[in-house]
Amino acid sequence: DAGVIQSPRHEVTEMGQEVTLRCKPISGHNSLFWYRQTMMRGLELLIYFNNNVPIDDSGMPEDRFSAKMPNASFSTLKIQPSEPRDSAVYFCASTPLGGTEAFFGQGTRLTVV
Amino acid sequence: SQQGEEDPQALSIQEGENATMNCSYKTSINNLQWYRQNSGRGLVHLILIRSNEREKHSGRLRVTLDTSKKSSSLLITASRAADTASYFCATDELSFGAGTTVTVRA
Repeated sequence: DAGVIQSPRHEVTEMGQEVTLRCKPISGHNSLFWYRQTMMRGLELLIYFNNNVPIDDSGMPEDRFSAKMPNASFSTLKIQPSEPRDSAVYFCASTPLGGTEAFFGQGTRLTVV
Repeated sequence: SQQGEEDPQALSIQEGENATMNCSYKTSINNLQWYRQNSGRGLVHLILIRSNEREKHSGRLRVTLDTSKKSSSLLITASRAADTASYFCATDELSFGAGTTVTVRA
């Protein structure tokens, strides 16, 4: 398996634009997590899904952020409209059924100018 | 929150020395995990210790868990330059702390 795949790896966008980050979890994994990492706040858990259902989205910072998981092999994190303070590295991770070890993607570095 | 909190924030050691970092958490756990993050990369799982275990080894890594103090420690023995990275602990909810940045000097 190729591991957790995130795209794009880098994204530069202008303030106010919509940004969509994508994640393909490891096949067979049933939990998916989105994180945001900044120097100031460290690694923040934004939302996680179990069997494609959002379980805890209390970490989503604002209504501008939304996440979906339409099927077991794909998830998106959308920011609309984007702001400079959203600049960060966004990670997606997945865990297998009954497992606890998280497998992380390489991250998407988002820069909002 | 079950979030783990690591300390120290940063650690600089000479190659060959041991590095120790600590993790504290607030509520009861089933297990605790340690991860490593190299610069610009995603986190990689290192080791998991269950709540009924007190110590666990994996290669040059040694993890201890004290559930009465709600704390864990990660020891890296005989450090190498390649151990330079940030280290994070995570509890059941996979909520991470700010991490400990370890620099191993040649």
